[in-house]
Amino acid sequence: GIQVEQSPPDLILQEGANSTLRCNFSDSVNNLQWFHQNPWGQLINLFYIPSGTKQNGRLSATTVATERYSLLYISSSQTTDSGVYFCAGPAGGTSYGKLTFGQGTILTVHP
Amino acid sequence: NAGVTQTPKFQVLKTGQSMTLQCAQDMNHNSMYWYRQDPGMGLRLIYYSASEGTTDKGEVPNGYNVSRLNKREFSLRLESAAPSQTSVYFCASHRRVSGANVLTFGAGSRLTVL
Repeated sequence: GIQVEQSPPDLILQEGANSTLRCNFSDSVNNLQWFHQNPWGQLINLFYIPSGTKQNGRLSATTVATERYSLLYISSSQTTDSGVYFCAGPAGGTSYGKLTFGQGTILTVHP
Repeated sequence: NAGVTQTPKFQVLKTGQSMTLQCAQDMNHNSMYWYRQDPGMGLRLIYYSASEGTTDKGEVPNGYNVSRLNKREFSLRLESAAPSQTSVYFCASHRRVSGANVLTFGAGSRLTVL
């Protein structure tokens, strides 16, 4: 499986600010996913994005597979965006749910 | 639909005790997974089941066993719990939707081993 590194480890914002979270991975990927873990521990899939750009409301993600990184953009942040953001890449094999997770970025949005 | 349901939500064990974490999904997914999450870390894969009747080890399988009882249910058993198994355990199932791979997680089971 690949190595996944996320930055920054912590991020504190005021409501309304924009932010960019980065995920570097050690090898080519055919499966790159972003997740949000809310303060109550629930994990939600945000994006499946092995390449290209996708947008979902105030969130968007871009993966540049040839340069082995992915970015998650959060615009006009809200307090409900707080939590931990994980990116995850393939852990080997053909099962798409078999993932290697980064250590996460802890986002805190203050009102 | 309930999605992925895990029981129990909380459990405290003494070292050496055994227990089984239950997981069920009602989305007719083929693949199911057990992950653990330790403080300050991402999730690590314990075991997975690509389809009914098959199971395979993940990154950290030692001390655990699994059973894929049927397509809906995938259980994780600790035969002799150790303090190092104190963690939050997540069950997940996988589906492919419109070309995208989506992993759906349960709410988690917090296990403390004293």
